[in-house]
Order: sequence, then C-alpha cells, then structure tokens
Amino acid sequence: GESVGLHLPTLSVQEGDNSIINCAYSNSASDYFIWYKQESGKGPQFIIDIRSNMDKRQGQRVTVLLNKTVKHLSLQIAATQPGDSAVYFCAEYSKLTFGKGITLSVRP
Amino acid sequence: GAGVSQSPSNKVTEKGKDVELRCDPISGHTALYWYRQSLGQGLEFLIYFQGNSAPDKSGLPSDRFSAERTGGSVSTLTIQRTQQEDSAVYLCASSLHSNQPQHFGDGTRLSIL
Repeated sequence: GESVGLHLPTLSVQEGDNSIINCAYSNSASDYFIWYKQESGKGPQFIIDIRSNMDKRQGQRVTVLLNKTVKHLSLQIAATQPGDSAVYFCAEYSKLTFGKGITLSVRP
Repeated sequence: GAGVSQSPSNKVTEKGKDVELRCDPISGHTALYWYRQSLGQGLEFLIYFQGNSAPDKSGLPSDRFSAERTGGSVSTLTIQRTQQEDSAVYLCASSLHSNQPQHFGDGTRLSIL
C-alpha cells in the first residue's frame, strides 16, 4: 500500500549541531512534498516544500533534499536551537498523506 | 493576518451525544481540509473541499461523520452519536488552491466520556 513514513520516532541533538530528519514514501507518482513542524497544543506549521522537479531546496536554516530514485526525502536543520524542539511531519500531497511524525529534542 | 480559526478549542461531551466543530479558513482560500490526530499519531485525512466541487469524503471513518462548507468559507464537522474512540484532536487546514501549502488551525481537542 501507499505510505509516508519516518524512520525514527525520536531524535535528540545537541544545541548548535545540525539535525537530519528522514522520510520515505512509497508512491512513485508523488510530485509535491511538505515538511511541517508541530509544537505541543498547536497545529502543524509549514516549514518548507519541494516539488518533484527539484532535488534540493533551501530556506532559512533548513534544507530539504528529495531523492526520487529511492523515494526518500530529508529535512536538514542547521545550528539546531531549543526552539526547534517539536514534532516534524513529512507530507505527500497527491493523496494528502502524512507521516506519523518524529520528535526532535534539543539538548542545551 | 488572520489564520485558520477553529472552535471550540476544547470539547468534552458524553458518549452518544452529537458534536459540531467549526472551522473558519483563511479568507480567499478555496481548499479546506479536515484531519484527525490521535495521541502520538500522525494526521488522518477525513474530508477535503475544493471550491464548488463535490467534497472528497474518502477519509470519513463512518457514516456518523459528516461535514459541510457553506458559501465556500466556514466549515462544520459533525459527529453524531459520539463514541469514546472519537476522542482526538480535530484539525482544519486551508490552502489557496489544492496542491499548495496547507495552513492549519490549532485544532479542537475532543474528549468523549
């Protein structure tokens, strides 16, 4: 079946280090992906998106990489800060499918 | 500017009662989505409205669930004869068009006693 999933349920990083969150998808026809951040008690917040005609897209301190060959995307956060602590979701939009989420915990 | 607004923020009700959850999308957004999020889980798609087209109801878990969107703006999600397994956070999102980033409200936390 089709799915969007995250490899690890939790990720703990030291403040100032770079974080990498990975996500796999199964639908090879997927053409639009989004990363969301969700803080406790809040709705998901858009971070960055990428379409299938791109391999890489950069934002402020964040980079999304898309590897269509292995159906994998990743979110890289540079110089991770305590405010980055949250649950991160990848979403594949052709069928409105969201991964379960990974909790990023930043150690001071 | 105003984001997606959901009300109530919390709802506690007894099993068997009906509940209505409201979503005010961002003005001008043509697409509106409802999701359910259980504790520690990802988002489960429920229903999607796009303009005046017939809604995509493929995610509704049972016929106790229904939703409408009046005038292409405000949407109401109704759950009839609530069950304890309906307890979850119900999230609404809107986007300018389909296949554009969705903007989420903070959800309604529904607790069925």
